[in-house]
Amino acid sequence: DVKVTQSSRYLVKRTGEKVFLECVQDMDHENMFWYRQDPGLGLRLIYFSYDVKMKEKGDIPEGYSVSREKKERFSLILESASTNQTSMYLCASSSSYYGYTFGSGTRLTVV
Amino acid sequence: QKEVEQNSGPLSVPEGAIASLNCTYSDRVSQSFFWYRQYSGKSPELIMSIYSNGDKEDGRFTAQLNKASQYVSLLIRDSQPSDSATYLCAVNEGGSEKLVFGKGMKLTVNP
Repeated sequence: DVKVTQSSRYLVKRTGEKVFLECVQDMDHENMFWYRQDPGLGLRLIYFSYDVKMKEKGDIPEGYSVSREKKERFSLILESASTNQTSMYLCASSSSYYGYTFGSGTRLTVV
Repeated sequence: QKEVEQNSGPLSVPEGAIASLNCTYSDRVSQSFFWYRQYSGKSPELIMSIYSNGDKEDGRFTAQLNKASQYVSLLIRDSQPSDSATYLCAVNEGGSEKLVFGKGMKLTVNP
């Protein structure tokens, strides 16, 4: 089975900190995605990547950046964390239209 | 913006009944359709995929697709309390592997 691993299950950060969320997948998938999930708003796409060193903005990229230096790793960066970035962050990977496999999620609280 | 609409719910059914979950989508060129199950506090888990018009059965789950009506549904037969979760409909956007998610329908199966 595809495994998508997110480095932290829970994080608490201070306003203004730079925050790194790491995601690693072990099945050689080309595509990787970062979503945030908030009550009443559903899953919203932040960034995605179809290949190494390639990235595309999703629906809500403001305040975020990403890095994909290796095929298996896709990092989400909050440049200067704000309280409105408190959320559940979900990483996913996919290949060949078979749907996403999600990581277990990181619940980030910005105080 | 491509849209995926699900009935807001929540849906409550007795144990042993059939639960019916519905979804409509706006992108006529979508080719891949998925249902995810998400337990409270957990990440979404892929339970069904469907790519052609008609029905696809997997155990107690049946996915139905009607591309002409831009409609996809999920039927859960012999519902169990363990089926209590939020169900997310997802549709690929155009010719890409990027998925657009509905906001989810919370299902409760009462013993």
